[in-house]
Amino acid sequence: EPEVTQTPSHQVTQMGQEVILRCVPISNHLYFYWYRQILGQKVEFLVSFYNNEISEKSEIFDDQFSVERPDGSNFTLKIRSTKLEDSAMYFCASRSTGTADTQYFGPGTRLTVL
Amino acid sequence: AQSVTQLGSHVSVSEGALVLLRCNYSSSVPPYLFWYVQYPNQGLQLLLKYTTGATLVKGINGFEAEFKKRETSFHLTKPSPHMSDAAEYFCAVSDGVGASYDKVIFGPGTSLSVIP
Repeated sequence: EPEVTQTPSHQVTQMGQEVILRCVPISNHLYFYWYRQILGQKVEFLVSFYNNEISEKSEIFDDQFSVERPDGSNFTLKIRSTKLEDSAMYFCASRSTGTADTQYFGPGTRLTVL
Repeated sequence: AQSVTQLGSHVSVSEGALVLLRCNYSSSVPPYLFWYVQYPNQGLQLLLKYTTGATLVKGINGFEAEFKKRETSFHLTKPSPHMSDAAEYFCAVSDGVGASYDKVIFGPGTSLSVIP
């Protein structure tokens, strides 16, 4: 069964450094998302992406965040200057067309900012 | 704005006893409702979803949930849970229409423990 994959599984970085989290969505999916889950808290929407542009972003998704689909398979989340509070599990998700289609989530990347 | 509440951050049941995880939602339009499960150190797996049609939805691993519009609820049940069902369960909603229709809003989660 096709699945969303994410790399790395765990990223440790120093505060102020840039990180890029990578996702490979399911191959025929057209809608892509990033969510995050701070330890012990609920999953929060960050951004949705369709047709090579952002469809919607939350208030969390400020100027230090950016997303990109650099080729036909990868979908990345970049954090330009990491802060301690960016430490969280980041989930990528994708779905195909149709309003009732399910978002399929990847296993997540645990980001630790020191 | 949409929101989801889950009554009980932690639920503990005996193996073989009915498990009930409560979820209430708020949405200005007919919602799409989901239950996701997260096993320790793993990602989010869809258990079941309600979009339209039959209000009793059956999912994987013997779980089911019933959409009750008047009560704005979507409680999750399993008649005879196993220890392997111990995990975090998230109820979620999306409104299914409009520019933000596909944003999923998650509840805070309920941690399920199953006692042998």
